[in-house]
Order: sequence, then C-alpha cells, then structure tokens
Amino acid sequence: DTAVSQTPKYLVTQMGNDKSIKCEQNLGHDTMYWYKQDSKKFLKIMFSYNNKELIINETVPNRFSPKSPDKAHLNLHINSLELGDSAVYFCASSQAPGRDYEQYFGPGTRLTVT
Amino acid sequence: AQSVTQLDSHVSVSEGTPVLLRCNYSSSYSPSLFWYVQHPNKGLQLLLKYTSAATLVKGINGFEAEFKKSETSFHLTKPSAHMSDAAEYFCVVSGSGNTGKLIFGQGTTLQVKP
Repeated sequence: DTAVSQTPKYLVTQMGNDKSIKCEQNLGHDTMYWYKQDSKKFLKIMFSYNNKELIINETVPNRFSPKSPDKAHLNLHINSLELGDSAVYFCASSQAPGRDYEQYFGPGTRLTVT
Repeated sequence: AQSVTQLDSHVSVSEGTPVLLRCNYSSSYSPSLFWYVQHPNKGLQLLLKYTSAATLVKGINGFEAEFKKSETSFHLTKPSAHMSDAAEYFCVVSGSGNTGKLIFGQGTTLQVKP
C-alpha cells in the first residue's frame, strides 16, 4: 500500500490555467505538508496543516491555496499558472508537527507550465 | 535563523570505496538534523536523523552521520559505496518552533562508478 500518494504524477498545462494537485496519506498522520522543488533540485516548504488547521504558510503567492478536507488529504490549488510555477511538488505527512517526527514524502507531481 | 550548507554539489566515488558527504549547519538553538535521499524521479526517503541523543547516528543502508556541535557539522558517511547509492542527498535542519518545518540544503549528487 502506498503511504503518501499524489495525483497526477505529471501535469502539463498552459499559462493562465487553474490546476489542482491532490495528496492522500493512509498512515493515520495528523500533519501534512507541501514542498516545491525547483529546477536546481532545491526544496522549500510551502504549507503545512495539522488536523486540518494551517500551521505553516511560507511566502508563497496567493495564487497557491491549500485545502485540507480531512486529516488524510491535503490538496494544492494553483490559479493563473505562470511559467515560474514549473517545478516538482511534493506532499509529505508526519505523525505530528515537530522536529522529532519523521516526514514521509509522496512521489511528487511534476508540473510543467508552457 | 536556521540554515544548512552542503559543501559539495557533486561527489564521485568508485564502487566499494568510502563515501563522505559534507554538511554544515547554522542554528540559534539545538537543532534536529536529518539526511534524506532522493533517487531519480522518486520521492524523498529518510536515511537518518539526529535529535539530541547519541551524536553518532546510524541509518538505513549502512549510512551513518556524526553530529559535531563544535564544528557545526553533520557529515554523512558509508564505508563502501554500492551502485544503488547513486542519488541526490539532502542535509536538512529543523526550523524554529514546533511546526515540523524542514530547511533543506542544496543537495549533493552522488555518482558511483563501477
């Protein structure tokens, strides 16, 4: 069974479109995260939810909006896509927030904006 | 503020020889430190973590790392490289607060030659 899954795996779209990436975890974790990995492989956290409550909201354009319908899901919606949004987006989850809890990562969604 | 610097962007070793991936950190408090590995087109997997217990940390697949506070270092080592170790390695420091925020280094690409 896949612990953290993301759909779609690949997403190719045009500038100005709106798209969503879905994430689901079956680990029973309370905390979920979204990370962005750029073309130079640099990873940076974007958002985190704990028990459906937003606890990390980094400096991210407000075109990006996370939504957590329940503890097992954290979706990322992106409005008015731009070329610079092209990246790999990783979802992760942990048992709880905090440095002592291992984060489990999904396989990533490669977003290409043309 | 917390930060992490991986001193080598690319390391090349021969199969069967030792691996050393270097990482220095900066933190205003006692940090938690991690090494994650990312195989091509895959998600990230935790290799090992330091959370203020033993300074020599053993991880999966024969990797280990030593926390040296005086040198602010957390270098990753393995006695004998295997072809399957070829991947991207990230040194990671925990962010401030108890949110689970992770701050990633720039990554080191490990190449293993036959």
